[in-house]
Amino acid sequence: AQSVAQPEDQVNVAEGNPLTVKCTYSVSGNPYLFWYVQYPNRGLQFLLKYITGDNLVKGSYGFEAEFNKSQTSFHLKKPSALVSDSALYFCAVRDMGSARQLTFGSGTQLTVLP
Amino acid sequence: NAGVTQTPKFQVLKTGQSMTLQCAQDMNHEYMSWYRQDPGMGLRLIHYSVGAGITDQGEVPNGYNVSRSTTEDFPLRLLSAAPSQTSVYFCASRVGLAESYEQYFGPGTRLTVT
Repeated sequence: AQSVAQPEDQVNVAEGNPLTVKCTYSVSGNPYLFWYVQYPNRGLQFLLKYITGDNLVKGSYGFEAEFNKSQTSFHLKKPSALVSDSALYFCAVRDMGSARQLTFGSGTQLTVLP
Repeated sequence: NAGVTQTPKFQVLKTGQSMTLQCAQDMNHEYMSWYRQDPGMGLRLIHYSVGAGITDQGEVPNGYNVSRSTTEDFPLRLLSAAPSQTSVYFCASRVGLAESYEQYFGPGTRLTVT
């Protein structure tokens, strides 16, 4: 069965500094990977996805993610953090069974300090 | 487009009561699903539907029923509420079954069972 791990419950970064939110995965076969963001009292919003092709994927709000097959990682990055980036971030991998659903990590709370 | 809508936003139930959480989407998406979100556990799939008239169980289906009589609507029924069902519930939809499609989430229903 597929799984996703987000090793950090909380990440703090100063505004203007680069940020990284870590994600590792375990799947059999080709991975389909996603990042979502959740702002307080809101639903999840899609940020970006890796399906195939370039290992560096660009998404919404200036975020990007680097796919590394040998390390089975899909870390989320942004060159310069904003206070408004503070939110809960989820990594997810597509279930390749009949449901084709998403298996989510436990989430990482990102706080950008002014 | 309104996207994915959910009602109510908040609900308090007593143990043993039943209720229906409503979900609707106006994007003509074939695929709809229900998740529950609990602290530190990410999102877990309850039930899903690949089209009108077709539903199936996810990871945590016990205590919940669904039906899909139209493409637009996918209600979730709690048969006899238990405190363990206290959670935030999210409805999601996507275009179809293919692995590359991202999911769109509703704003959530926060349910408390006393």
